[in-house]
Amino acid sequence: GQQLNQSPQSMFIQEGEDVSMNCTSSSIFNTWLWYKQDPGEGPVLLIALYKAGELTSNGRLTAQFGITRKDSFLNISASIPSDVGIYFCAGFTGANSKLTFGKGITLSVRP
Amino acid sequence: GAGVSQSPRYKVAKRGQDVALRCDPISGHVSLFWYQQALGQGPEFLTYFQNEAQLDKSGLPSDRFFAERPEGSVSTLKIQRTQQEDSAVYLCASSLVAGNSATNEKLFFGSGTQLSVL
Repeated sequence: GQQLNQSPQSMFIQEGEDVSMNCTSSSIFNTWLWYKQDPGEGPVLLIALYKAGELTSNGRLTAQFGITRKDSFLNISASIPSDVGIYFCAGFTGANSKLTFGKGITLSVRP
Repeated sequence: GAGVSQSPRYKVAKRGQDVALRCDPISGHVSLFWYQQALGQGPEFLTYFQNEAQLDKSGLPSDRFFAERPEGSVSTLKIQRTQQEDSAVYLCASSLVAGNSATNEKLFFGSGTQLSVL
């Protein structure tokens, strides 16, 4: 099925560093979401974006809804060990009930 | 508990066996979704219920997959004659509002059932 594009598949950073992830699509979405998934758990919502150009923060996380509505960015500042996990972007068109997810980026944080 | 509960956590099935996966959504949540997550992939939509009505089943991969939510709360995803390609984590999610609402993105996911078909 259709998925959003996230790359690279894995990222390795040092504790305290900032990290940026992006997500792209060939289709327009009206809502962009970022989720984090820990091993053996379901995804947990981090940030939701509703308007093109919107910039939203949640603690050390900042995300932006791209102007074209075909991309989104997530920044994590001053990373800590508990930031380890898989980060998924997801898009919602509003035309139906489904969320479309990216393949995810596995983040590793070296102490 | 207060969250979405799924059982069993793990299920091993022999090829050809039927399985049933259960989801207890958050009490009072109108919308219930099933997603399939293959290893190394993001979740993919299977089906959506609004109360007891199955409004979208476009993501079900074959007629071997069947889902129900007869009383508008607990849901069961049934897979008949399981195949190896059915091996995945099956995630259930619920939401307070209707599925086509702009605020539907506030989904609460369960921990999933990991299905392994041998």
